[in-house]
Amino acid sequence: NAGVTQTPKFQVLKTGQSMTLQCAQDMNHEYMSWYRQDPGMGLRLIHYSVGAGITDQGEVPNGYNVSRSTTEDFPLRLLSAAPSQTSVYFCASSDYWENTEAFFGQGTRLTVV
Amino acid sequence: KQEVTQIPAALSVPEGENLVLNCSFTDSAIYNLQWFRQDPGKGLTSLLLIQSSQREQTSGRLNASLDKSSGRSTLYIAASQPGDSATYLCAVFTGNQFYFGTGTSLTVIP
Repeated sequence: NAGVTQTPKFQVLKTGQSMTLQCAQDMNHEYMSWYRQDPGMGLRLIHYSVGAGITDQGEVPNGYNVSRSTTEDFPLRLLSAAPSQTSVYFCASSDYWENTEAFFGQGTRLTVV
Repeated sequence: KQEVTQIPAALSVPEGENLVLNCSFTDSAIYNLQWFRQDPGKGLTSLLLIQSSQREQTSGRLNASLDKSSGRSTLYIAASQPGDSATYLCAVFTGNQFYFGTGTSLTVIP
């Protein structure tokens, strides 16, 4: 069982470039989400999805786009990278029920120069 | 908006000591609370999940309690070891999202 897989692990972008962070899970989880982790600010929710075809915004959605065409995949797109998007990004998945456990990927460290 | 606070922000203890990490949250309408461990440069590893209807959960040397009405949870680590050194995060799930505290950085000194 691979769990939650994120790619790439590291990425450097120039300001204005676009890219997609990949997230895949093999646990048939309905709920998937993206967080960014910044020093002193904890993890903040960017976007989430409660199932294929359903997405919603979190706390810090500006500059990011998501889609959920399958249960397994939940890619995060940076439309036009800015230095403020330099961060560590985590993808998580869980069953969308009351009492289930969240599983996290190993993270993508993104630097925008 | 749900806010999660963890105290202390950092903790340093000698090996073998028992210790308690604290987590508080402002809105008691939660589905569950989860404790995670994060090593430097790594992802989050789930330690314990406490359902909203439960008072505590135990796994090995770890024991987590939940008092939903007062908005508090504690993580008790017994007989600490240098390998326990990491950042510990708590998170509450409200049905739409997880809200995280900023973590407690634990150092266990051999």
